[in-house]
Amino acid sequence: LAKTTQPISMDSYEGQEVNITCSHNNIATNDYITWYQQFPSQGPRFIIQGYKTKVTNEVASLFIPADRKSSTLSLPRVSLSDTAVYYCLVGDPRYSSASKIIFGSGTRLSIRP
Amino acid sequence: DTEVTQTPKHLVMGMTNKKSLKCEQHMGHRAMYWYKQKAKKPPELMFVYSYEKLSINESVPSRFSPECPNSSLLNLHLHALQPEDSALYLCASSQDGQGQSEQYFGPGTRLTVT
Repeated sequence: LAKTTQPISMDSYEGQEVNITCSHNNIATNDYITWYQQFPSQGPRFIIQGYKTKVTNEVASLFIPADRKSSTLSLPRVSLSDTAVYYCLVGDPRYSSASKIIFGSGTRLSIRP
Repeated sequence: DTEVTQTPKHLVMGMTNKKSLKCEQHMGHRAMYWYKQKAKKPPELMFVYSYEKLSINESVPSRFSPECPNSSLLNLHLHALQPEDSALYLCASSQDGQGQSEQYFGPGTRLTVT
């Protein structure tokens, strides 16, 4: 199973760009990389997903190098409401009829005014 | 409708009680999941249902019993729980059971076992 490693916590200020890196050295060929955001006492919320190179949506960008052993979630111009825990996951496709997702330990992001 | 609903929001039960957690989605998703999350920890996968069949059981104790009556509903039956089972129980669904499917999570049920 692909295991992920993330920084435990990060601090930043409103208006800054925040980059959170996740390492997944034993990612499998068919695994995708997914990031979720979680606020206290709520379920996680999907942010972005990618397989290789760069993916961008309206809230974030995901950078994946050619070896796919790491990935970086980039949040442009953060605000106080981006304070949350961010989880990096890789999908395990071994089960052809089901999904097995292992959440990493998560990065607690704190944004200050 | 991109919502996963869970009931109840909060549940307090004694160690001898039997209770059930309920989860519902109307997005036509064919995979549904139960997770357990302790404070300041990541969610831990408990069960996965794919096309209404139990496909993954992560060595969960038998005091937790999942049930998928139909493609929109997922239950978690609880019996003889221990205080250490107190946690946030999250339900999620995805379009299919493949690893690259985005999961939609419900708000969770906060369970306290006394």
